[in-house]
Amino acid sequence: EVQLVESGGGLVQPGGSLRLSCAASGFTFSSYWMHWVRQAPGKGLVWVSRINSDGSSTSYADSVKGRFTISRDNAKNTLYLQMNSLRAEDTAVYYCAGGLDYWGQGTLVTVSS
Amino acid sequence: QSALTQPASVSGSPGQSITISCTGTSSDVGGYNYVSWYQQHPGKAPKLMIYEVSNRPSGVSNRFSGSKSGNTASLTISGLQAEDEADYYCSSYTSSSTRVFGTGTKVTVL
Repeated sequence: EVQLVESGGGLVQPGGSLRLSCAASGFTFSSYWMHWVRQAPGKGLVWVSRINSDGSSTSYADSVKGRFTISRDNAKNTLYLQMNSLRAEDTAVYYCAGGLDYWGQGTLVTVSS
Repeated sequence: QSALTQPASVSGSPGQSITISCTGTSSDVGGYNYVSWYQQHPGKAPKLMIYEVSNRPSGVSNRFSGSKSGNTASLTISGLQAEDEADYYCSSYTSSSTRVFGTGTKVTVL
């Protein structure tokens, strides 16, 4: 069974940092391009970032470029999202997705003072 | 990258067919056959319903079908059922090697 389990969300002050993790199982993680997608409360899905299968290529939405960094550890079947200089508008549920085919349940990030 | 345009809401009676449109540009929907559709029930993670314009993953009902013409992709749900009531999002690969989602459509079963 495919499983993607996000962790690391929580409450952080504006300007702060968080590191999200996504543990994958049930599929060949190292073969999949991985994505982070977020959803602000009551709003739609927004693509955030993606990384290719071996980690050599990344891409970001303009809204997070220069603040967020996506990475992966294929030996640990784990995807990461380092989020710096957080803003109130980054408040959302963050989903990791394998190839945008498989999705985790999400982790909530709240940026507030 | 601007979100793809979807109608805010679509409704239909049980058994009817409905179609949700997803309009982009030649830099996303029109330029690639990498359009996907997702179903999301309240409080749940999105579920892939259609990939590469018209392909259904294993386990997805054949009542769901996808198509594309020019810069507009469409999702059709035939034989509408109560369980189909959910939010639906399209997504496309873009010329910037990124992804973009649609604005989302709330489907109501009357």
